[in-house]
Amino acid sequence: GENVEQHPSTLSVQEGDSAVIKCTYSDSASNYFPWYKQELGKRPQLIIDIRSNVGEKKDQRIAVTLNKTAKHFSLHITETQPEDSAVYFCAAKALHSGGYNKLIFGAGTRLAVHP
Amino acid sequence: GAVVSQHPSWVICKSGTSVKIECRSLDFQATTMFWYRQFPKQSLMLMATSNEGSKATYEQGVEKDKFLINHASLTLSTLTVTSAHPEDSSFYICSARMGLAGTQETQYFGPGTRLLVL
Repeated sequence: GENVEQHPSTLSVQEGDSAVIKCTYSDSASNYFPWYKQELGKRPQLIIDIRSNVGEKKDQRIAVTLNKTAKHFSLHITETQPEDSAVYFCAAKALHSGGYNKLIFGAGTRLAVHP
Repeated sequence: GAVVSQHPSWVICKSGTSVKIECRSLDFQATTMFWYRQFPKQSLMLMATSNEGSKATYEQGVEKDKFLINHASLTLSTLTVTSAHPEDSSFYICSARMGLAGTQETQYFGPGTRLLVL
């Protein structure tokens, strides 16, 4: 089945710097890769996603890149702000038994942005 | 749009009792709902996938008789933790999606339910 690995587990940056979080997946059939942000005690919120028919997607300060050959995808946050501090989860879509699909999540990256 | 609610937000119960958690999609019809369990500072572990009108599909290692899931309508799924024990204490989060492809496959999460079994 699908396996998603995420690195680093913790990331500390200064305000204004960039942050990069990397994930690898095992199932070459996966074609959908969302990223979620979870603030302490709150629900995960989708911040950006990418499908396997594109290599990069950008939304203001957030971008995601996908390398299908290497089976890895990355989240890039530029000009980080203290409010970017949270846990970020990557995920990859996997086929579920019975033909339904599901998301497999990485272990998460705790990002701290220091003023 | 795409709001998912959960009730209750937290619950404390005695060991041996059963607890029901509701997950509702407020402004869309959810063909599929998912139930996750999250331990402190850990990832989201999928417990089961629930499709409206059919039996839930459980992940390996999750006891279906322990965690009863019902998805009676396109806006409501329930998770019942039967005969709860302290090791069942956790943060339970549901998510819902509209469909299987394109923008409809986005999963929207509920706020979670914190369960403490004494």
